[in-house]
Amino acid sequence: DSGVTQTPKHLITATGQRVTLRCSPRSGDLSVYWYQQSLDQGLQFLIQYYNGEERAKGNILERFSAQQFPDLHSELNLSSLELGDSALYFCASGRGDTGELFFGEGSRLTVL
Amino acid sequence: AQSVTQLGSHVSVSEGALVLLRCNYSSSVPPYLFWYVQYPNQGLQLLLKYTSAATLVKGINGFEAEFKKSETSFHLTKPSAHMSDAAEYFCAVSDPSRGSARQLTFGSGTQLTVLP
Repeated sequence: DSGVTQTPKHLITATGQRVTLRCSPRSGDLSVYWYQQSLDQGLQFLIQYYNGEERAKGNILERFSAQQFPDLHSELNLSSLELGDSALYFCASGRGDTGELFFGEGSRLTVL
Repeated sequence: AQSVTQLGSHVSVSEGALVLLRCNYSSSVPPYLFWYVQYPNQGLQLLLKYTSAATLVKGINGFEAEFKKSETSFHLTKPSAHMSDAAEYFCAVSDPSRGSARQLTFGSGTQLTVLP
């Protein structure tokens, strides 16, 4: 158990819809990262928050957004969903000292 | 920019044989390097990490990796494969100079199959 909790584990929705994925980081970790894992793109970094502020941005689409709340949990919002958004979305957290990240079990999104 | 190349998307070994998974990195600064393992339907679990201390790093489950700056490599090895080692393995790199804005860049992964 990494200590990182993600909900929901599975989500099936239709094209054009909007979903929210939730992540609770490990106790004491200020950084939250979102990654997308798909067969064709592999593991892609989307976005990082540190203590409530956006710190780094990767290959995140404009239709996607995220935020980190005062209690440090984070949400990833995916809107106007397309078939190609079907993927496993991972949240990870870390303390930033050695750079290692601790991953949740992921949220599997299927867009039909 | 940093990048990681994992040679061989699929590797098969017999149970008891040596496991060697290759990783080469590209970085303009001395990097931190990591190996993660992903079992089916699970998240990524840290196997080991290199953070500029000893170049030979030992991890969990009998795995180790050696940082070779001259070869820009960080290959993962295990002397004797076990059936439970079957999983996907990811090499990752981060830039220590970025401080709290540091993130991991992953390779494309190597699927390890262990044959009985």
